[in-house]
Amino acid sequence: ELKVEQNPLFLSMQEGKNYTIYCNYSTTSDRLYWYRQDPGKSLESLFVLLSNGAVKQEGRLMASLDTKARLSTLHITAAVHDLSATYFCAVAAYDQGAQKLVFGQGTRLTINP
Amino acid sequence: DAGVIQSPRHEVTEMGQEVTLRCKPISGHDYLFWYRQTMMRGLELLIYFNNNVPIDDSGMPEDRFSAKMPNASFSTLKIQPSEPRDSAVYFCASRLTRARNNEQFFGPGTRLTVL
Repeated sequence: ELKVEQNPLFLSMQEGKNYTIYCNYSTTSDRLYWYRQDPGKSLESLFVLLSNGAVKQEGRLMASLDTKARLSTLHITAAVHDLSATYFCAVAAYDQGAQKLVFGQGTRLTINP
Repeated sequence: DAGVIQSPRHEVTEMGQEVTLRCKPISGHDYLFWYRQTMMRGLELLIYFNNNVPIDDSGMPEDRFSAKMPNASFSTLKIQPSEPRDSAVYFCASRLTRARNNEQFFGPGTRLTVL
């Protein structure tokens, strides 16, 4: 059974600093997703990583995937308050030929002025 | 496109009552997923459908929960009878298999409170 673990689960950081969120998964998969959730809101898709070595960047966020290590990272550069949210990684799992997502626990990120 | 639509957005009910949550997926999407989110258990997949057919309902907590998808544009999740521990946010998501990314798009969620 596919397990997905994120760390840290809680992260409080100052504006302007850099930090990385890690997502480890237990079995082989060919795609990984990052989502953002603001308090009381739905999940918003950030990145889709489809192959080993894939790197995607949007503003101050950059996501990468190492399928051999079963690891994805979400790197935050020069954090700003607007990035405060909970970030989830989700890994594709295949069941009876159909794809479903297994989510990590989420990382609650708080960025302080 | 309006995105995934869920109703109601908030539901408060008393223990023992029947609750029905509704979802309209994005037009043309062939997969539909129901999730439950709580502080304690995080985001859990309850059941998902492909072309209106249930594929995997192993995440449904117990027989009190049931889900249907009578057509490609509508699905329901029913809880009967409801219990306080069912209080959670329930999300519906849909996706299109043919899309390269196989990305899931989430609805706004239904916040259920069972008193």
